[in-house]
Order: sequence, then C-alpha cells, then structure tokens
Amino acid sequence: GAVVSQHPSWVICKSGTSVKIECRSLDFQATTMFWYRQFPKQSLMLMATSNEGSKATYEQGVEKDKFLINHASLTLSTLTVTSAHPEDSSFYICSASSKGQAIEQYFGPGTRLTVT
Amino acid sequence: GDSVTQMEGPVTLSEEAFLTINCTYTATGYPSLFWYVQYPGEGLQLLLKATKADDKGSNKGFEATYRKETTSFHLEKGSVQVSDSAVYFCALSGDFGNEKLTFGTGTRLTIIP
Repeated sequence: GAVVSQHPSWVICKSGTSVKIECRSLDFQATTMFWYRQFPKQSLMLMATSNEGSKATYEQGVEKDKFLINHASLTLSTLTVTSAHPEDSSFYICSASSKGQAIEQYFGPGTRLTVT
Repeated sequence: GDSVTQMEGPVTLSEEAFLTINCTYTATGYPSLFWYVQYPGEGLQLLLKATKADDKGSNKGFEATYRKETTSFHLEKGSVQVSDSAVYFCALSGDFGNEKLTFGTGTRLTIIP
C-alpha cells in the first residue's frame, strides 16, 4: 500500500516550452502533496505544498508563475514548468500524505527533466 | 533555519561489515528525525524515525538514536547485506506545527559481496 507514481519518469524538452509532470497516489487519498527538486549531489529542496482543492503554498524563492501546481483531486497533483530554461533541468520528486503530515509522506520515484 | 548535515559518500563496504552513517542537525524546538532510503529506480521510503530525545528508531536491522545533547541521529547496522545498497537520507520535521521535511544531501552506500 501507499504507492505514489510519477509520469513521465524522464522528459526532454526545448527551451521555452512547457512541461507537465503528474503525481498520483494509487491506493490512498492524498489530502496533501509536496513537490521537491533535487540537484545532483544535493538534498531534496521543498518547492511547494498543495492541499486538495486549494492553492499551493510555495517556498521562499520558488516562482509560482513558473512552477504551476494543481491539486484538483485527492489522487492527482500536477506540476507544470512553464517556459522552461536549461537551469530548470533537475530531478523533480513528489510525495503524498493522507494526513497532511510530514511524518506520513510517501514519495514518488521522481521525474528527470532536461531542458535543451 | 533548520538544516541537516550527513556524511558524504559514496560509502563502500564489504558484506557483513558494520555500518555507520553520521547525521547531525540544527533546528529550533523539538524536531522529529527520520532516515529515508532510496533503492535504485524507486521513491524514497521511510526507514525509521524518532520523535523525541533518546528515542531509538529501528527497522530491518538498522538503528538510530535521537541524541539531543549532540544533535545527532546516526544510522547504524551491525552486518550489512548487498541488498542494503541504496542512497540514505537523513531528514527532520520541524516543531511548532511545521510539517516540512528538511533533508540532508544523501549518502550512497554500496555493499560488495
């Protein structure tokens, strides 16, 4: 139980285009989903927290107009990287919680984004 | 702000060796502490946790004790196996209703037969 999937697992896009990454909780209802970004040899950095049906809360320094997060249902959240640039290339990881607590987060396998 | 520092890898050990991965933290209040493990191609999984000082978290032969006096949460295992090869992340969740996780940089562990 408590499986979280991400799609796609990797994507390559051209600079200036937009990319959507999906995060799904497969066997539980996720009231809260978290989006992280991980650079090589660095820790996971929380980008934003989203609760189903409400606007995401972004961490300081994260551009909300660039990283659009939608959490329209209890099993799906999406992250759209708009007008992507090479510096947006990274590993994006989502996690989901049925209780809205950090202590109960279940993580997806991540999506590798490369912007050329 | 909160931060987690863990030993840099990669770490390579022979099967049945003793493992220690150091983790220290900086946080206000009384954080909860975690170790996550990421096997190749999979998402992070919670390995163990401790929510207050002197608590010992344990799972799959791994242990870590919440040491407030040294602000540490070192991961140990007495006899590692090849299947323990993975990346290990130390993390904390802040106090006072702050539910965010702050991660260390991860330590890649490789066990050779």
